[in-house]
This record gives sequence, C-alpha cells and structure tokens, in this order.
Amino acid sequence: DSGVTQTPKHLITATGQRVTLRCSPRSGDLSVYWYQQSLDQGLQFLIQYYNGEERAKGNILERFSAQQFPDLHSELNLSSLELGDSALYFCASSVAGQFQETQYFGPGTRLLVL
Amino acid sequence: TQLLEQSPQFLSIQEGENLTVYCNSSSVFSSLQWYRQEPGEGPVLLVTVVTGGEVKKLKRLTFQFGDARKDSSLHITAAQPGDTGLYLCAGAETISGNTPLVFGKGTRLSVIA
Repeated sequence: DSGVTQTPKHLITATGQRVTLRCSPRSGDLSVYWYQQSLDQGLQFLIQYYNGEERAKGNILERFSAQQFPDLHSELNLSSLELGDSALYFCASSVAGQFQETQYFGPGTRLLVL
Repeated sequence: TQLLEQSPQFLSIQEGENLTVYCNSSSVFSSLQWYRQEPGEGPVLLVTVVTGGEVKKLKRLTFQFGDARKDSSLHITAAQPGDTGLYLCAGAETISGNTPLVFGKGTRLSVIA
C-alpha cells in the first residue's frame, strides 16, 4: 500500500460525458502528479500540482483539467469524453515536487468510455 | 520529446531462469528509474541510477546505467513467479528535477512456476 488513494477504482461512462477522478496523496506529500496509461501510449504524464499550484504540464488535452485543494487532495476532470480516453489514470505523490524523487503511485482508476 | 525504447515487449520464462531487459534512447538522461507494476496496482519504484556506468543491486535484480547515460539494463537472476509484472524505465532529462519523467512502454514479464 503506497498510501495514495484514488477513487473510484472503476468508471464506465458514455461518450460526451464528464467524469471526476479523485486522489488523496500520502500524508506529508505536497505534490500530486496525474498520469494516463494506455496500451499503445504507455504511461504519459498529464499534469503536476505542488501545494495547490500547477507546477508542470504534460500531454494533457484541453478537455481535461485538474486542481489541488487546500487539503492537498486533487481532482482530475475529464469532459466531452471520447472512446480514446479509455485508459488507466494514475495519481502519484511526492514530498518536494521534484520529478526525480520517489513518486508513490495510487492503484489507479480504470476508465471505460463506451 | 525524448523516447525510451524497452525490449523485449513481452517475456515468458520458467522459474529459475535468468533474464535481461533493456531500456534504450538516443538521448542522454541525467538519471533513470526502474519501476515494477503488478496487475491492478500502480508502478512501484525499484531503483534510481544517476551516474554513467553505475551498477545497483537489489537482491536478485541488477540495474546498470550505460556509460553515456543513454541506456540501462535490468538483469534478474533465478527468476521467481513473484517477479511477474510490467517493468518500466523512466528517464529524467535534466538534473533540476523540474522536467517530467519520460516513461518507456515497458516489458511485461511472466515467470512460470
């Protein structure tokens, strides 16, 4: 158990819909990272927050957005969903927000868009 | 965008065999990490290598960073069913820590008892 929690574990929805994925980091970690994992693209970095502020952006679509709240939990919002958005979405956390330090990954949310 | 190529993509071996998986790039990385991901779980960091030519051992696992810091290998001795999983390498382009990691697509290992 990494100490990072993600909800829900599974999500099935239809094209065009909007969903929210939630992540609670390990106690004491200030930074949260969101990743998307698909069979063809592998693990892709989406976005990072540190202590409530956006710190780095990766291959995140404009239809996707995220935020980190004062209690440090984070939410990833996916809207106008397409079939190709079906993937595993992971949240990771770390203490100081440096990419090279140990990132602790949650168990992921499996999203299926029908 | 820097790419990390991992090979082989899939590997199925018998318990007790040795194996090596590779992570290659045409670009230089300041550090490289190896992760193992088991079904239904997120990746777990195994090791970070930062110096060209560095070798690190973790029980039966040996990690090596290439001299030019463009490639890395993971060698497993006497594989066990518990080693089954997806092995991912991830590289950091700069030493500042502010550049996102680039992940390879992974080697999926299956160790049969």
